[in-house]
Amino acid sequence: EVQLLESGGGLVQPGGSLRLSCAASEFTFSSYAMSWVRQTPGKDLEWVSTISSSGTSTYYADSVKGRFTISRDNSKNTLSLQMNSLRAEDTAIYYCAKEKKAGTTLDYWGQGTLVTVSS
Amino acid sequence: DAQMTQSPSSLSASVGDRVTITCRATQNINNNLAWFQQKPGKAPKSLIYAASILQSGVPSRFSGSGSGTHFTLTISSLQPEDFATYYCQQYNNYPLTFGGGTKVEIK
Repeated sequence: EVQLLESGGGLVQPGGSLRLSCAASEFTFSSYAMSWVRQTPGKDLEWVSTISSSGTSTYYADSVKGRFTISRDNSKNTLSLQMNSLRAEDTAIYYCAKEKKAGTTLDYWGQGTLVTVSS
Repeated sequence: DAQMTQSPSSLSASVGDRVTITCRATQNINNNLAWFQQKPGKAPKSLIYAASILQSGVPSRFSGSGSGTHFTLTISSLQPEDFATYYCQQYNNYPLTFGGGTKVEIK
């Protein structure tokens, strides 16, 4: 069974930084694109970013472009999200998710990690 | 960007009822639509992709249909474990976008 385990969430002040990680197991990590999706306190789901299987292509929501950076280490089966210049509206549960195949649905999701941006 | 609108936002139904949830896109997304189920405190779970294909292990009482801009998720006979919130999502283009969710509650 595919396993995705996020970590790195917490409380951070506005303007601060945080780095999220997602440890993947039980599938060939290097063969699949991966994404970050967040869920706001109001329960809305928002796509944040996607990275191709090789890491050469990345995509971002306009709301995080220039502030967040997605990356992956295929040798360590790890997905990361570096979040800088955090704002209150970035407060959410952040999920990492695996694409079923390139350009298709997200078929497995981690349990999520909570990021709270507040002074 | 393709905006996704779900209706209704919530509904009350009884065990055994047939339930239909609608998802509309503001532009043609072909059949690049997925449905997810989320229970409280849990991550979303993939139910359907390509508008009508059930993920492995999903009960056959779930079905999806539609193409272009109009899609539906149907639960043919609601079971106790189906009370949850359902989201549609388009993956035709970036940015990926989700509907606002439909909460299915017990009548």
